Amino acid sequence: QVQLKESGPGLVQPSQTLSLTCTVSGLSLTSNSVSWIRQPPGKGLEWMGVIWSNGGTDYNSAIKSRLSISRDTSKSQVFLKMNSLQTEDTAMYFCASGTRVYDGWFAYWGQGTLVTVSS
Amino acid sequence: DIQMTQSPASLSASLGETVTIECRASEDIYNGLAWYQQKPGKSPQLLIYNANSLHTGVPSRFSGSGSGTQYSLKINSLQSEDVASYFCQQYYDYPMYTFGAGTKLELK
Repeated sequence: QVQLKESGPGLVQPSQTLSLTCTVSGLSLTSNSVSWIRQPPGKGLEWMGVIWSNGGTDYNSAIKSRLSISRDTSKSQVFLKMNSLQTEDTAMYFCASGTRVYDGWFAYWGQGTLVTVSS
Repeated sequence: DIQMTQSPASLSASLGETVTIECRASEDIYNGLAWYQQKPGKSPQLLIYNANSLHTGVPSRFSGSGSGTQYSLKINSLQSEDVASYFCQQYYDYPMYTFGAGTKLELK
């Protein structure tokens, strides 16, 4: 059974850096890709970036300069770091994966973690 | 980036009714389209991929169709558990995936 679970601070101050962890079970990070997707309250979904099975990364061009995704395969964890946070970065953050490494769709999602950017 | 325009933004329908949600891409996405259902407070759940392939475990009353820039999700015989928001997602423009703004489906 595939499970993804996000964790991180619920509150981040403006201009600070957000750090989130996605802990994965039931699938191998060396055989699957994991994406981060966010959703502001009451709004739509925004794909943020992906770490591929070979460890390579791709990012949404709109936030590429602020975003970094990495992983620890020994712990089955994927990390997101985003700097210079602003109030508009307040959102539910999800990690998600497909059934196969190059699936463009997301069959597995975490429950999400809410991040509020506020002083 | 490919823009996805989803319509309608909200929809009210009766139990047993057939519902159709549309998604239009700003350019041809060659069936690289998925549909998701999201209930309040939950993560999205995959319904359809490759425009018309039903994901494992999804009821057969859900179906997807379309080609080129125009795609649709149809729900036959609407059930109370289908009340949710629905999102389309294009993945043809790899890996700059983009989503539609969503359709909120309510019971009349």
